[in-house]
Amino acid sequence: EVLLVQSGVEVKKPGESLTISCQGSGYRFSTYWIGWVRQMPGKDLEYLGLIFPADSDTRYSASFQGQVTMSADKAINTAYLQWNSLKASDSAMYFCARLAGPGKNYFDFWGQGSLVTVSS
Amino acid sequence: QSALTQPASVSGSPGQSITISCTGASTDVGGYDFVSWYRLDPGKAPILVIYDVSQRPSGISQRFSGSKSGNTASLTISGLQPDDEADYFCSSFATGSFLVFGGGTKLTVL
Repeated sequence: EVLLVQSGVEVKKPGESLTISCQGSGYRFSTYWIGWVRQMPGKDLEYLGLIFPADSDTRYSASFQGQVTMSADKAINTAYLQWNSLKASDSAMYFCARLAGPGKNYFDFWGQGSLVTVSS
Repeated sequence: QSALTQPASVSGSPGQSITISCTGASTDVGGYDFVSWYRLDPGKAPILVIYDVSQRPSGISQRFSGSKSGNTASLTISGLQPDDEADYFCSSFATGSFLVFGGGTKLTVL
């Protein structure tokens, strides 16, 4: 069974750093792209980017380039999303998801989400 | 402002059919047969219900179907069941952006 398990709720102050995680199991983690998707309060989903765990090749959405950093540790089947200096506008639910395969444009399995709240 | 436009809400009674639209442009929905649909429930992992416009993943009921005409894709759920109540989002491959999403539609089963 394919599972993506994300780290839990985070409450941070503006300016703090944060890393959330996404651990995969039930498949060969390193050979599938992992994507990150943000859901702001009020529902909209936004695509942040992709990382290929085998070689940490990353593809950022233009809107999020420079705003977040994606990384992965294939030895422990885990992908990460990192902020160096959080802003209140980063408050959202963040999902990781597995891209279905080479040449595919949809996510076939998702994590349960990590809720990030940034408030002074 | 979401890249793809969905109605904020739709509703239907058990047993009825509903359709959720997803309108984009020639650079996304209209230009590629790469529309997917996801179901979101609070606190749960989203679920893929349709991919490549009209394909159903294994385990998804035949009551779920997808189609596309021009720049608008549609998700139809027939034989509505109370358990279908959730938020549904469309997504499409997009030139220059890789993926764009709709704003989501809340389905209420009356």
